[in-house]
Amino acid sequence: QQQVKQSPQSLIVQKGGISIINCAYENTAFDYFPWYQQFPGKGPALLIAIRPDVSEKKEGRFTISFNKSAKQFSLHIMDSQPGDSATYFCAAKDGNNRKLIWGLGTSLAVNP
Amino acid sequence: KAGVTQTPRYLIKTRGQQVTLSCSPISGHRSVSWYQQTPGQGLQFLFEYFSETQRNKGNFPGRFSGRQFSNSRSEMNVSTLELGDSALYLCASSLGLADNEQFFGPGTRLTVL
Repeated sequence: QQQVKQSPQSLIVQKGGISIINCAYENTAFDYFPWYQQFPGKGPALLIAIRPDVSEKKEGRFTISFNKSAKQFSLHIMDSQPGDSATYFCAAKDGNNRKLIWGLGTSLAVNP
Repeated sequence: KAGVTQTPRYLIKTRGQQVTLSCSPISGHRSVSWYQQTPGQGLQFLFEYFSETQRNKGNFPGRFSGRQFSNSRSEMNVSTLELGDSALYLCASSLGLADNEQFFGPGTRLTVL
């Protein structure tokens, strides 16, 4: 059973458009929610992260929206660029055991 | 500052063999975590080491083991390889146990034939 459910599995966006990736969780012990970006042949790299006491966090073109009551969080990429084409992973850290639980990833393609 | 390095980058083994993968964390980082990445299961946590001690462990069989040396470098070992062990093995380092930000290496691609 996937503890962090990520959707969609793949996404195609036109250059300049908004990319939106969603994640949902059940475990209320999760207390840290990062998003990672992974390019082929590379390891994941931290993009942006949020804690559950904040509803939104923005860094440049990347924004996390967090809905604690719905147990959902999402990544918005504004003005998407071809260089953003990568696989994006949401994750959640269990505050009880410090384990990082990952979504299955979203493959994003931004068409020029 | 050099990033996390992993060696080897690619490895081909046959069933029943054993394998050792190596990870050198970012200088000054003392915590090292290992993950298995497969298309079907995504990234799954294997274990975490800090100060040469295993501090956390995922749900993997005992064939998967690891260790950390005094210079924070870490190795993981998989014995009696199975076809299902084919995966990308990722190492991540962080300053300490309390630090959330993990820095990943490029991974070791293990293929079991």
